[in-house]
Amino acid sequence: GDSVTQMEGPVTLSEEAFLTINCTYTATGYPSLFWYVQYPGEGLQLLLKATKADDKGSNKGFEATYRKETTSFHLEKGSVQVSDSAVYFCALSGGGADGLTFGKGTHLIIQP
Amino acid sequence: DTGVSQDPRHKITKRGQNVTFRCDPISEHNRLYWYRQTLGQGPEFLTYFQNEAQLEKSRLLSDRFSAERPKGSFSTLEIQRTEQGDSAMYLCASSLADRVIGEQYFGPGTRLTVT
Repeated sequence: GDSVTQMEGPVTLSEEAFLTINCTYTATGYPSLFWYVQYPGEGLQLLLKATKADDKGSNKGFEATYRKETTSFHLEKGSVQVSDSAVYFCALSGGGADGLTFGKGTHLIIQP
Repeated sequence: DTGVSQDPRHKITKRGQNVTFRCDPISEHNRLYWYRQTLGQGPEFLTYFQNEAQLEKSRLLSDRFSAERPKGSFSTLEIQRTEQGDSAMYLCASSLADRVIGEQYFGPGTRLTVT
């Protein structure tokens, strides 16, 4: 079945550092890929998405590129802020109308 | 747009009791999803509805779990004869059928503790 693997956390960075959170997936067919974020005390929110190979999703300074050849969708940000501290989930949709398949989440901590 | 709401936010119950959770989706959204999230894990898909039709229920964890969406608006998730392993966060999400499948809006969740 479909699966998502993302790097273990917590990831601790200083403010203005470069961020990469790795995500790889296994799926049949051509999934759509997503990053969701959960800020402290809040519900899951869609951060960005990509629906086909080589698409780049971007939002709030975060970017991720759908790489079919490496089955990856790594999340990047050039300069993180304290307000980016949250749990980040990589997810895929297998193409049917079923629910999302999520990774375990990566807890990101940004220190001032 | 008031967002997806869930009730109750917290539920403590004794093993063997039945519990029911409610989800109110964003008003114009015709798809509604239920997920379970345990500590340190990502959400796990359980079931979904398009309008009042339950189109996928094979992923419900056991026959003790059931869900309804009688008029295509709010939905309920019931767990019968709760077990300690049912302790988790139960999440509801909604979406529009004509949007990208994974573009879902999540509620705050109901945290269930089974003692």
